[in-house]
Amino acid sequence: NAGVTQTPKFQVLKTGQSMTLQCAQDMNHEYMSWYRQDPGMGLRLIHYSVGAGITDQGEVPNGYNVSRSTTEDFPLRLLSAAPSQTSVYFCASSRQGSHSGNTIYFGEGSWLTVV
Amino acid sequence: ILNVEQSPQSLHVQEGDSTNFTCSFPSSNFYALHWYRWETAKSPEALFVMTLNGDEKKKGRISATLNTKEGYSYLYIKGSQPEDSATYLCASVKAAGNKLTFGGGTRVLVKP
Repeated sequence: NAGVTQTPKFQVLKTGQSMTLQCAQDMNHEYMSWYRQDPGMGLRLIHYSVGAGITDQGEVPNGYNVSRSTTEDFPLRLLSAAPSQTSVYFCASSRQGSHSGNTIYFGEGSWLTVV
Repeated sequence: ILNVEQSPQSLHVQEGDSTNFTCSFPSSNFYALHWYRWETAKSPEALFVMTLNGDEKKKGRISATLNTKEGYSYLYIKGSQPEDSATYLCASVKAAGNKLTFGGGTRVLVKP
């Protein structure tokens, strides 16, 4: 059981480049989300999805785009990378119902550096 | 409290000692409180999801309590071991919301 799989694990980008962080889960979870982790700031929600075809903004959505064409996949796109987007990114999923009372399963993180 | 706050930010514990730390969260419209354990380069691992005032949960040497009226939760580690070294994250959920608000984490280092 793979759980939540994120790729790539490490990436260095130049300012202005675009890229996509991939996220896939094999648990048939309805809810998926992307967080970024910055020192001392905890995990901040970027975008989330309550099901295929439905996405919404989180706390820090600017500079990022998402889509949810299937239940399994929830890619995060950086449109024009900026040094402020240097961070660790986590994809997460949870089963149908809501994020609220259900355990959230995280991927292993993607370390992104923008130079 | 408007945000989720964790204290202290970091903690050094001698192997074998017990320790605890705090998560403070907005008590209004409370729905659930999550605790996660995160080791660098690994996935954050769910420890507890707590919803009821007075709830106490235990997993091995780690336990947590919840006070929803005053808006705090304590995480306890009994007889700390080096493998307990990690960042412990809490997150609160407001009623009818799908969004978790995370605290900044407490980084625990257990020294042999």
